[in-house]
Amino acid sequence: QKEVEQNSGPLSVPEGAIASLNCTYSDRGSQSFFWYRQYSGKSPELIMSIYSNGDKEDGRFTAQLNKASQYVSLLIRDSQPSDSATYLCAVMSSGSARQLTFGSGTQLTVLP
Amino acid sequence: NAGVTQTPKFQVLKTGQSMTLQCAQDMNHNSMYWYRQDPGMGLRLIYYSASEGTTDKGEVPNGYNVSRLNKREFSLRLESAAPSQTSVYFCASSSGLAGGDTQYFGPGTRLTVL
Repeated sequence: QKEVEQNSGPLSVPEGAIASLNCTYSDRGSQSFFWYRQYSGKSPELIMSIYSNGDKEDGRFTAQLNKASQYVSLLIRDSQPSDSATYLCAVMSSGSARQLTFGSGTQLTVLP
Repeated sequence: NAGVTQTPKFQVLKTGQSMTLQCAQDMNHNSMYWYRQDPGMGLRLIYYSASEGTTDKGEVPNGYNVSRLNKREFSLRLESAAPSQTSVYFCASSSGLAGGDTQYFGPGTRLTVL
């Protein structure tokens, strides 16, 4: 059973702070990693994808991948109340099936 | 472009009733997926279709059937609904090509089985 684990939260940070979201995965052959944001009652929307070890930055968001440690994280700098949502980590399985396995999500609240 | 659309948005069924959830995408994507999301459990894959004419089981296929009607449409059928199938159902699509792993989600169908 391929597993994706996220810190269960909820996580609260003050406005302007850095929010750090973490995710570990069990399938060592995984090659594609995604962070989705899901507002309450809405569908998941892609924030970041990362495929290589290291950091990938997009505006206030930075994804970090360490395949040796089977660890992927998302940093949100200068957090805003509009960032309050559930963040889902998703990992694409190795092989040809190209299935995504999702973590259970971390609920983030940014306090004004 | 509408992206991924799903109908209906809400549905209430009685145990034993059947229904079909519809999904369509206008992004010319090859691959389509059906997920269910339950509180505290993230999204779980029910069925997927890597390309037109093919379908495969995901993590939780029992009690469901799917049809890839054409490249645009992928439907999910509950033949005899059970309370355990109360959930939010999301359809997604991706290009399915190398480097096209990103999945785009529809707005969801909220299903209650009494």
